[in-house]
Order: sequence, then C-alpha cells, then structure tokens
Amino acid sequence: QSALTQPASVSGSPGQSITISCTGTSSDVGSYDRVSWYQHHPGKAPKVMIYEVTKRPSGVSNRFSGSKSGNTASLTISALQAEDEADYYCCSLTIGDTAIFGGGTKLTVL
Amino acid sequence: QVKVQESGPGLVKPSETLSLTCVVSDYSTSGDDYWGWIRQPPGKGLEWIAIINHSGRTYFNPSLKSRLTISIDTSKTQFSVKMTAMTAADEAVYYCVRQVGHGTWYFDLWGRGTLVTVSS
Repeated sequence: QSALTQPASVSGSPGQSITISCTGTSSDVGSYDRVSWYQHHPGKAPKVMIYEVTKRPSGVSNRFSGSKSGNTASLTISALQAEDEADYYCCSLTIGDTAIFGGGTKLTVL
Repeated sequence: QVKVQESGPGLVKPSETLSLTCVVSDYSTSGDDYWGWIRQPPGKGLEWIAIINHSGRTYFNPSLKSRLTISIDTSKTQFSVKMTAMTAADEAVYYCVRQVGHGTWYFDLWGRGTLVTVSS
C-alpha cells in the first residue's frame, strides 16, 4: 500500500492561487469519492479542509476547493494568505476499507 | 467543547508494547462515528493506523494489523490502541481522531498528538 503522490512543495504569492495534486490509483482515488484534505501547521492538530472530494466543513474558507479527475485529486487555494502556509495532506479510502494518506506538500507563501 | 486527548508513556523500549488511550470529552462514543489513530514519524507524512466504532467494528492498516489491538469503552468515552514489537520505525507523534459517521472516511476531530520515542 503505497502513499498517494503529492508534490513535495508548492509556493505562491499572496493573492495568487495554487493547486496541489494528489495522485493515486484505480484502487483508491479513482474508485471512491472519499478524498479529504488536511492542513497541518507544525505543532498543532491537523484540520480537515475538504472532504468527499469537494465538500467544505463549516468554518473553512471558500478559498479552499477540491476536485477530482480519474486517479488524481486536487486542492486549490485561491487568494493566498500568509496563514495558509502549512503542510497539506490528501487522504483517500482504498479498496479493502482502509485509508491512505499522501506524502504531504509544504506550501510556502512568498 | 468536544475534544479528544491522547495519553501514553512517551518512551517505550524496542520490542515492547505501546499502549495509548484517548479520552473523548463532551461527546458520546456510542453513536455512528468511528474513533481511531493516525501517526506521523518525525519529518515524514501521516499514516492511518486503525479505527473502531461503538460496537467494536474495526478497520486496520494492513501493514500494521498483525501488531495492533484497538478497543473502545463507551461507558468511559475512551478508546485505546496497543501496538506490539515496537521498533525505531514506530517513533512518531500519535494522534487520536474521530471519523464522522460510517463510510465517510474523513477525520474532523484530532487530538494534539503524543510523541512516542522508541529507545532502550
């Protein structure tokens, strides 16, 4: 069971938009609409930003959006703000009823 | 305010068994939610470990399953995990989490995490 593939790092300037990809297989991302995204500031508890591919929990800014095409899910953050700088992880349900995370992406706001 | 809080030994010796407990505050563990564990080794990504619901239905990471026991005590609103044969590779921050309902497979409540070091 290999981790989902995410870019190690992405960066953007305040006000810009960035997209983080999360590539899996037909055994996970490609088969289920059970992809979630987590924001993790070091030393704090991770926070769910997107669930079921596109849904935003109450209280999460509408600057965060999710999508999926085939075996790849994506998280887009628009109008970047300094406080968005964090690590981001995708997670998917897999065949066999387990969960698998991506390796994580460090977002730097320039 | 609903919270989950991990507790554990902090330091375990190689080959020993790790026992962690998570106390859930201001929320019942008798409902449809699942409760579980996720870890993060130093400098690495998150790894899902296992989840359990109030009736004892469990799901395990297949790479860890043979070493794991997970349990729940709904009367105390707490759940626990035991991991045997600990090695340096198991050093990590261990988080307890809530998975909303059945079949949603996302984690909306996280503890602050507890660091587990494996050393003799």
